[in-house]
Amino acid sequence: KNQVEQSPQSLIILEGKNCTLQCNYTVSPFSNLRWYKQDTGRGPVSLTIMTFSENTKSNGRYTATLDADTKQSSLHITASQLSDSASYICVVSATEYGNKLVFGAGTILRVKS
Amino acid sequence: DAGVIQSPRHEVTEMGQEVTLRCKPISGHDYLFWYRQTMMRGLELLIYFNNNVPIDDSGMPEDRFSAKMPNASFSTLKIQPSEPRDSAVYFCASSRDRGAGELFFGEGSRLTVL
Repeated sequence: KNQVEQSPQSLIILEGKNCTLQCNYTVSPFSNLRWYKQDTGRGPVSLTIMTFSENTKSNGRYTATLDADTKQSSLHITASQLSDSASYICVVSATEYGNKLVFGAGTILRVKS
Repeated sequence: DAGVIQSPRHEVTEMGQEVTLRCKPISGHDYLFWYRQTMMRGLELLIYFNNNVPIDDSGMPEDRFSAKMPNASFSTLKIQPSEPRDSAVYFCASSRDRGAGELFFGEGSRLTVL
C-alpha cells in the first residue's frame, strides 16, 4: 500500500470553478509535505511546502492545508484557469528515512472552457 | 539561474543500445537526484548524490543502470544495454539539502526503447 494516497485520480471542472484535491498519508514522522504541479511534458514544479507544524499555506490561487493529526492534506484551487490543467502531486518527507521524499501517484486535473 | 538542465529531451533507441542521459544541476546545490516516472509507478528515486558522492543507489533497478557525478556541475545516467521496459521519463533534480528545502526538477528526458 502506497504511503501517500491521492484522490480523486482525475477530475474535470469548468473554468472559473473551485476544486479541492486530497492527500492522505501514513508516513510518520514526517518533516514536511509538499504539493507539486506537473504540466504535460514538463518537470514537477513546487507549489507549497508545509512543515508538520503549519496548517495552511497559500501560493496565489493555490491554498494547501495540513492536518497532522488525521494525516490529511488538501490543495484548494480557486477560480480555476485553463492553465491549471496538470497533474498535482503530493509528496511527504519521511524523517525516519533521512528526509526521503515519498510521492503520491498524483491527481490529473483538466479545466475546460 | 537557468534551472536544472537535462539532455536529451527525447531519445528513441533500439533494444540493446547504450543510452546516456545528462544533467546539469543548479549551481550551489549539493544534492542531485535521478528519478524515473512511468504511468504505472509514478515518480521513483533511482539514486542521489551529495557533494558528487553517490549516497543511495538502492532504487537503481539493475546492473544495467549506472550513474556518475564527476564534478559539481554534471551528472550522467547510463543504461547499457537498454530494454523496452526502460522506456520512461527520467528526471534530474537538485536541492541545497535533502528533503527539507526546495527540490528543483529538470524538464526530463523521455526515453523510448524499441
